[in-house]
Amino acid sequence: AQSVTQLGSHVSVSEGALVLLRCNYSSSVPPYLFWYVQYPNQGLQLLLKYTSAATLVKGINGFEAEFKKSETSFHLTKPSAHMRDAAEYFCAVSSNNNDMRFGAGTRLTVKP
Amino acid sequence: GAVVSQHPSWVICKSGTSVKIECRSLDFQATTMFWYRQFPKQSLMLMATSNEGSKATYEQGVEKDKFLINHASLTLSTLTVTSAHPEDSSFYICSASTPWVTDTQYFGPGTRLTVL
Repeated sequence: AQSVTQLGSHVSVSEGALVLLRCNYSSSVPPYLFWYVQYPNQGLQLLLKYTSAATLVKGINGFEAEFKKSETSFHLTKPSAHMRDAAEYFCAVSSNNNDMRFGAGTRLTVKP
Repeated sequence: GAVVSQHPSWVICKSGTSVKIECRSLDFQATTMFWYRQFPKQSLMLMATSNEGSKATYEQGVEKDKFLINHASLTLSTLTVTSAHPEDSSFYICSASTPWVTDTQYFGPGTRLTVL
């Protein structure tokens, strides 16, 4: 069975500061890993995905994530937070796109 | 490209009635569609997976007779909540995938159901 754990249900940063959202995964097979963003009362928007190619994955809106097999991690980062980044972020894992499991989510707050 | 829509975006109904939610892939053929439920401040929980023309596969603990899923065409799947109760109030999100773009699910905007 696959699962992801997001460390920290709520992260608060100042505008312009580094954003780091943590995700650790558990999978018995090589995983596909995803980060999604959800704005209030909206569906999920894909930020980026890892599918066994380059370990450093660049996504939209300046976000990137690095797959570290030794640490079973796929943390999401952005060098400089913007007010519009405030949202809920979900890490997800799947083995074949038909069995996607989501983490509990991390709410990002950006302070002016 | 790869847009998924849901209708309605929100619905309020009385306890005991049935509600149908539509999920459409607008610009691609979705061989597989997924239905998720999200309670406030919680993550998405997969309810069922449906392949076009086949019966849906439900996750453990999801009542198939209560949550009827139909995937009759490559662009439309419907979720019907039968005899809805207040505890069914939730945010329902669908997603769709196509074999031409592997490893990706495209998510709809969600439908908020409130049962009075």
